[in-house]
Amino acid sequence: GNSVTQMEGPVTLSEEAFLTINCTYTATGYPSLFWYVQYPGEGLQLLLKATKADDKGSNKGFEATYRKETTSFHLEKGSVQVSDSAVYFCALATGANSKLTFGKGITLSVRP
Amino acid sequence: NAGVMQNPRHLVRRRGQEARLRCSPMKGHSHVYWYRQLPEEGLKFMVYLQKENIIDESGMPKERFSAEFPKEGPSILRIQQVVRGDSAAYFCASSPDFETQYFGPGTRLLVL
Repeated sequence: GNSVTQMEGPVTLSEEAFLTINCTYTATGYPSLFWYVQYPGEGLQLLLKATKADDKGSNKGFEATYRKETTSFHLEKGSVQVSDSAVYFCALATGANSKLTFGKGITLSVRP
Repeated sequence: NAGVMQNPRHLVRRRGQEARLRCSPMKGHSHVYWYRQLPEEGLKFMVYLQKENIIDESGMPKERFSAEFPKEGPSILRIQQVVRGDSAAYFCASSPDFETQYFGPGTRLLVL
């Protein structure tokens, strides 16, 4: 079956530091890959997505590249801000129903 | 275009009572998904519906849980005879096209 593995957290960084959050996946077929962000007490917001191998999704300074050979979709940002503090979820979708399979999420805290 | 709406945002029930969660998808979206987020875990798929049809309920517990998406009105997730283990955040997502799901703010259910 499908599964998503995220690196263990939480992660604490200083403002303007470089961010990498690892995500690997196992899937049948050719999944679409997503990063969602959840701020405290809120629902999930789509951060970025990629639908085929070698695609790069990007938004708000975040980016992730769909790597089929390593089955990975790592999230990166060159300079984090305090406002980036949130929980980040990696997810995939396959098949006609496109139901999402999520990783466990990782909490990012950015210090001023 | 208003986002996905869920109500109530918070719901407290005693063991044995019924919980009824509502989800209004974004305008023009005919696909609705329900997910459950247990404490310290990622989201787990429960059910996928289109208007008047349950398409995939493979993630929904066989007993006490039911979902509907009538021709008119919101989608409803119903939990009968709630138990403490049902305490979680329940998120609804809607989609126009299978590609991308847009999440509501969630309903946080607490069973006393």
